[in-house]
Amino acid sequence: QTVVTQEPSVSVSPGGTVTLTCGLSSGSVSPSYYPNWFQQTPGQAPRSLIYSTNTRSSGVPDRFSGSIVGNKAALTITGAQADDESDYYCVLYMGSGTWFFGGGTKLTVL
Amino acid sequence: QVQLQESGPGLVKPSETLSLTCSVSGGSISSYYWSWIRQPPGKGLEWISYIHYGGSPYYNPSLKSRVSMSIDTSKKQFSLRLTSVTAADTAVYYCASSHTISAAAIRWGQGTLVTVSS
Repeated sequence: QTVVTQEPSVSVSPGGTVTLTCGLSSGSVSPSYYPNWFQQTPGQAPRSLIYSTNTRSSGVPDRFSGSIVGNKAALTITGAQADDESDYYCVLYMGSGTWFFGGGTKLTVL
Repeated sequence: QVQLQESGPGLVKPSETLSLTCSVSGGSISSYYWSWIRQPPGKGLEWISYIHYGGSPYYNPSLKSRVSMSIDTSKKQFSLRLTSVTAADTAVYYCASSHTISAAAIRWGQGTLVTVSS
């Protein structure tokens, strides 16, 4: 069974740029997987950031951008702020109407 | 904008059936994709199912034998049933919506914690 992979933890300095990735244990991520990205802070429901690789959800600042980098989907945050410190999840469409989440990345801003 | 609210028992006994309902406001239930997603305490997200009005539901293969999802357009609600629950089904259950097939979930409910325990 193919697993969706994410870095367990990543850190970034305030004002810096960071890229989180979303890959597959077997194979490459392409736009046909419709990569989505979500942000979640403790005790809150997730918030949609990006869908269909690079489309920002309503109200999401353009500091957040999505792309395909190499064989993975990527979420890039530019000008990192303290309140970007959250858990970030990707989800991929695996066909036959099914989606699979990655294990999430804990982003620390320090 | 679409708003979602989950409701259902917070405690379910092992081997029984978990039933949750999501009430929809601010949008037509026939216009969106509706999903259920869960998150065990301290763990990551797991996609459970989704349905579009007039279509068949789709389920996570690992849960397919125990899960069902349906829409009640007259009540503007959609529902989740998970049978034969165990402690591993303890989680916050979220309902969510999307306006496009390429988005797993755009709008989310606040989530409801369901604990499986005797």
